[in-house]
Amino acid sequence: AQTVTQSQPEMSVQEAETVTLSCTYDTSESDYYLFWYKQPPSRQMILVIRQEAYKQQNATENRFSVNFQKAAKSFSLKISDSQLGDAAMYFCAYRASGNTPLVFGKGTRLSVIA
Amino acid sequence: GAVVSQHPSRVICKSGTSVKIECRSLDFQATTMFWYRQFPKQSLMLMATSNEGSKATYEQGVEKDKFLINHASLTLSTLTVTSAHPEDSSFYICSAGDQTSNEKLFFGSGTQLSVL
Repeated sequence: AQTVTQSQPEMSVQEAETVTLSCTYDTSESDYYLFWYKQPPSRQMILVIRQEAYKQQNATENRFSVNFQKAAKSFSLKISDSQLGDAAMYFCAYRASGNTPLVFGKGTRLSVIA
Repeated sequence: GAVVSQHPSRVICKSGTSVKIECRSLDFQATTMFWYRQFPKQSLMLMATSNEGSKATYEQGVEKDKFLINHASLTLSTLTVTSAHPEDSSFYICSAGDQTSNEKLFFGSGTQLSVL
């Protein structure tokens, strides 16, 4: 079974600084997708960024970028120029190809200090 | 992007009663809906996979007779918590995929169930 591990229960960052959230996963599949979701206090799940495993280029969405290391099964999220609105719970997730569910890590709670 | 509408957002019920939660895909056809449960300060745990026109598939440890799932149309899936007890109090959230959206899954806004 696929598993997703987030080893940092909590992280904090100063406003305008950069922070990296770690994620590793385990799978025997070669074709899959990786995601980072943000869950603010409203608990709405917000897609931050996604990465297709077959793509070598790291995904980027504005201030958010990933470091995808397929051989190491690592998928970290970098948030640049952190803003107060970035404070939330962040979940790393894995999805095998096809009509399959997301498998989530335990999450990292990010605090942004003004 | 695609929208999944989930209702109610919050429900309080007495122990022993049943509660129905609805998830609708508003602008796409969701042949499959995934139901998750999230306890406070924990991650989302998959409860079951709902397929249109067929029986749902439940994860290990999830009681299918307690959590009834119906997916009668391509736009509606329902989760009924039967004979609810305080330990069923949790945040329930659905998600569905639009096959045209490159493997993205779209989430409902969730339902907070509190059983007194």
